[in-house]
Amino acid sequence: DTGVSQDPRHKITKRGQNVTFRCDPISEHNRLYWYRQTLGQGPEFLTYFQNEAQLEKSRLLSDRFSAERPKGSFSTLEIQRTEQGDSAMYLCASSPGTGGIDEQYFGPGTRLTVT
Amino acid sequence: GQNIDQPTEMTATEGAIVQINCTYQTSGFNGLFWYQQHAGEAPTFLSYNVLDGLEEKGRFSSFLSRSKGYSYLLLKELQMKDSASYLCAVRDWDSGAGSYQLTFGKGTKLSVIP
Repeated sequence: DTGVSQDPRHKITKRGQNVTFRCDPISEHNRLYWYRQTLGQGPEFLTYFQNEAQLEKSRLLSDRFSAERPKGSFSTLEIQRTEQGDSAMYLCASSPGTGGIDEQYFGPGTRLTVT
Repeated sequence: GQNIDQPTEMTATEGAIVQINCTYQTSGFNGLFWYQQHAGEAPTFLSYNVLDGLEEKGRFSSFLSRSKGYSYLLLKELQMKDSASYLCAVRDWDSGAGSYQLTFGKGTKLSVIP
């Protein structure tokens, strides 16, 4: 299967701990996105990469969140000093970034529970 | 920014037709997407409209009117497996960021009953 993959699928952590999630996009997709989704809501944009460059970061993203895509392939999203409000599904998506429709393909998500 | 509005829930009967509406407000429109999301799963791409009119893809069709800020997703010959959330998403130009951004509505939860 060559779709978007995310690891881990589930993460339970205690408030105040740091967590890191990984996303592997579809091979040769230039663009990679991170979203957060809570129950009954649509995905909420967090940040976006064009190759290794982080081009946009949501104003809603606090300083506790950081993302990297060091070689323009996989990406990591780190949350420092987690809070209960961080509990959500974290979705990663990728797109070709070469024009046309450029639809985003989503991974299965990482469900974070902060206790 | 965008303001995307779609009904929270809908119920329809197996074999019937259902129309899910979406209205939006945006300044740099660059396309409207519909995604399907089953409970606990990732969204999957259904359709894309950037010009006015109807796009048909099997049992699913999507319509766009840019002047009215309106789209709908039409599902025909409903099947039980169509029970899912349907997300309307608008892509527009974010001048502050200098890039396109995709903003999702809250989704419409469709329940298909026998």
